[in-house]
Amino acid sequence: GAGVSQSPRYKVAKRGQDVALRCDPISGHVSLFWYQQALGQGPEFLTYFQNEAQLDKSGLPSDRFFAERPEGSVSTLKIQRTQQEDSAVYLCASSPLSTGGEETQYFGPGTRLLVL
Amino acid sequence: AQSVAQPEDQVNVAEGNPLTVKCTYSVSGNPYLFWYVQYPNRGLQFLLKYITGDNLVKGSYGFEAEFNKSQTSFHLKKPSALVSDSALYFCAVFRGYQKVTFGTGTKLQVIP
Repeated sequence: GAGVSQSPRYKVAKRGQDVALRCDPISGHVSLFWYQQALGQGPEFLTYFQNEAQLDKSGLPSDRFFAERPEGSVSTLKIQRTQQEDSAVYLCASSPLSTGGEETQYFGPGTRLLVL
Repeated sequence: AQSVAQPEDQVNVAEGNPLTVKCTYSVSGNPYLFWYVQYPNRGLQFLLKYITGDNLVKGSYGFEAEFNKSQTSFHLKKPSALVSDSALYFCAVFRGYQKVTFGTGTKLQVIP
């Protein structure tokens, strides 16, 4: 079966431009996560969805970051007025159940964002 | 606050030799511990996890990890390294969906 897919794989944006990053989780997966991975670092948690409900957005670095999952499947991470410090790889992950932490997360290939 | 430490930025090992990639953690309560591997331009791939039970966990591609509560460690091991094992390895601790912490990663280089 298909894994988690993300698009675009690469995105170059000019500072101040808005971007939208898409995640298609594994079909039927309840939980969806977004992470930010800076160069040379491990992924850092951004936000978590259980179906269409965004249960935690405490990791979003500023109010320029917004995520949605309106129908409980595909999710979009939007970054408004991009800044150079937003340059990173954005990873999406999904897991089959509402996670208490023990469920394995399955990661997509990531979107590499470069803000010039 | 919980944390994960991977003390080695890079580990070099000769093909066929045993390998160890170190991970220590700090968390209150019982942790859920994971190892992921990342190949260039690809997402993280799950290797193995410790939730409870036997301290020795076996995972994908011949990898295993030993949970040591007294030393708060969860080192990744493999008896015989392959060149294809060369990649970036991440240790992570999960305590509920909002309490996810990854280490900074260890680059494993297997030398032919």
